[in-house]
Formats: sequence, C-alpha cells, structure tokens
Amino acid sequence: AQSVTQPDIHITVSEGASLELRCNYSYGATPYLFWYVQSPGQGLQLLLKYFSGDTLVQGIKGFEAEFKRSQSSFNLRKPSVHWSDAAEYFCAVVPMEYGNKLVFGAGTILRVKS
Amino acid sequence: EAGVTQFPSHSVIEKGQTVTLRCDPISGHDNLYWYRRVMGKEIKFLLHFVKESKQDESGMPNNRFLAERTGGTYSTLKVQPAELEDSGVYFCASSQFLAGNGNEQFFGPGTRLTVL
Repeated sequence: AQSVTQPDIHITVSEGASLELRCNYSYGATPYLFWYVQSPGQGLQLLLKYFSGDTLVQGIKGFEAEFKRSQSSFNLRKPSVHWSDAAEYFCAVVPMEYGNKLVFGAGTILRVKS
Repeated sequence: EAGVTQFPSHSVIEKGQTVTLRCDPISGHDNLYWYRRVMGKEIKFLLHFVKESKQDESGMPNNRFLAERTGGTYSTLKVQPAELEDSGVYFCASSQFLAGNGNEQFFGPGTRLTVL
C-alpha cells in the first residue's frame, strides 16, 4: 500500500547529541516532501520541504533533511539537539497522483535528556 | 500577518450532541484543508476546499460530517450527531498556489474534540 513510514515512534537523545529521524515513502512518482514539528500545546510548524533540485535541504531551527531517491527516503537530521527540540515530528508528502492533500507518517516523539 | 486560527481550542460534548468547529485561513489563501488525528493514529486528510468549492472530500468518514466554506473565507466543520470515535484533534490548514512553493500548507493550532 502507498504510505509514509516513520519507523521510530519514540526516540530519546541526550542534549548536544546528533539526531536523525527516519522517513520512507512508497509512491510511484517523487512527491513533494515535508517535515513538520508539533511542540506541546502548539500547532504544526513546517521545518523544511523538498520539491526538486539540491537533495540536501536546510530548514529552520538548525534542521536539515536529505532526499534519497534510490531509498525513497527523506530523513531529518540535526547535528546538536537542544532541550527545546523535544516535540513530535511528522514526515508528510503530497503524492503527485493524489491531488494536493498531505499524507502523514505516524510521527516520532523526540525526548531530550539533559 | 495572522496565521490560521481555529475555534474552539477544546470542545467536550456528549455522544449524540452536535459540534461545530471553525477555521479562519490566512487571508488570500484559496485552499483550505481539514485534517484529523484520532488518538494513537496518523494525521489524516478529511477534505479540501478551493475557494467555496469542495475539491476533494474523499477523507470524510461518513455523512455525520458536514463541511462548508461559504463565500470562500472561513470554514466550518459540523459533526452531527457526534460519536465516541470522533474524538481527536481537528486541524485546519490553508495554502495558496505559487510557482515553486509546492503548495505549502500552513496549519492552525487544532481543535481538540472529546466525545463522552
């Protein structure tokens, strides 16, 4: 079935450590790709997006993501995590063949320990 | 510039009652979307308006849900009668197609609906 997969439901990292959140999609054509973050009590905030071009994209708050067509992946990274990064992260795609709606992964809850 | 706003932020109702959620998109955005996250599940698409027209309502769960966008501005989502499984967080998003922006959607804070 066509979907977006975030294999890690929870991740805990130490403050200052590096972070990688995984995302895979299964659609025929390369979709538009997004990462959103939801902090407690807040709405969804866009971290970064990929449509075309350079496969390494920079986002807000020091995050970056790399699109790998061969792996159908769009993993999110940050070199040094801050306690304020604790939140839930969602990978989402707009599949080209299904209109303009976003299809979300299940989300990854990031905990940061000091 | 004001973002997407949603009202109310929380709603607690009893099974069988009616609830109406409201979304005000970013001014000038023609596209308005409703999504829902039921506890423990993914955020799922409900429907998409372009101005006042329903472009895609393939995600609406059943006919107890009615969405409107009169005049192409704000939108309402009515649930009547509400059932226990309707509990969750309802998100609204808006966007405007521009060359190169991939139809980036801006989200509101959500309405948390609890049906008892």
